[in-house]
Amino acid sequence: GAVVSQHPSWVICKSGTSVKIECRSLDFQATTMFWYRQFPKQSLMLMATSNEGSKATYEQGVEKDKFLINHASLTLSTLTVTSAHPEDSSFYICSARGTVDYEQYFGPGTRLTVT
Amino acid sequence: GQNIDQPTEMTATEGAIVQINCTYQTSGFNGLFWYQQHAGEAPTFLSYNVLDGLEEKCRFSSFLSRSKGYSYLLLKELQMKDSASYLCAVISNDYKLSFGAGTTVTVRA
Repeated sequence: GAVVSQHPSWVICKSGTSVKIECRSLDFQATTMFWYRQFPKQSLMLMATSNEGSKATYEQGVEKDKFLINHASLTLSTLTVTSAHPEDSSFYICSARGTVDYEQYFGPGTRLTVT
Repeated sequence: GQNIDQPTEMTATEGAIVQINCTYQTSGFNGLFWYQQHAGEAPTFLSYNVLDGLEEKCRFSSFLSRSKGYSYLLLKELQMKDSASYLCAVISNDYKLSFGAGTTVTVRA
């Protein structure tokens, strides 16, 4: 149980375009989903927290107009990187938290490359 | 804010034991996680400690001392597949995880 999927697993896009990444909890309802970014050889940095039906809470330094988060249902959250630039190239990972405990279940990650 | 420190790299031989230390200073504490992450993959859960003491699971054990802001992950009977990055993460009152920079463990034959 507690499986989280992400789609796509990797994407290459041109500078200036927008990319949408989906995060789904497959066998549980996720009251809260988290989006992280990880640059090579660095740790995960929390970008934002999203709760179903409400606006996402962004961490300091993360532009909410650039990284649009929509948590439309208890099983789906999306992250849209708008007007992507090469410096946005990174590994984006989502996690989902159920209602029972503190554990977060991580998706497999999405490798974004902006050319 | 959160401050989580762990060593950058460790090397050990197959069959040996390695201990990865993690110290933390956080505002709000609801437990400490250890994750394993292979290159290009998402983290996988190893352990969760919220009370002081040692939690043992097969070849992996994790220890927590809340008064000292200290934890360690003990890897026993190392195997080549244990070569990975090990992340220490603290969860705060608002369920946010703060990660350390990770410790890259290299297992040599």
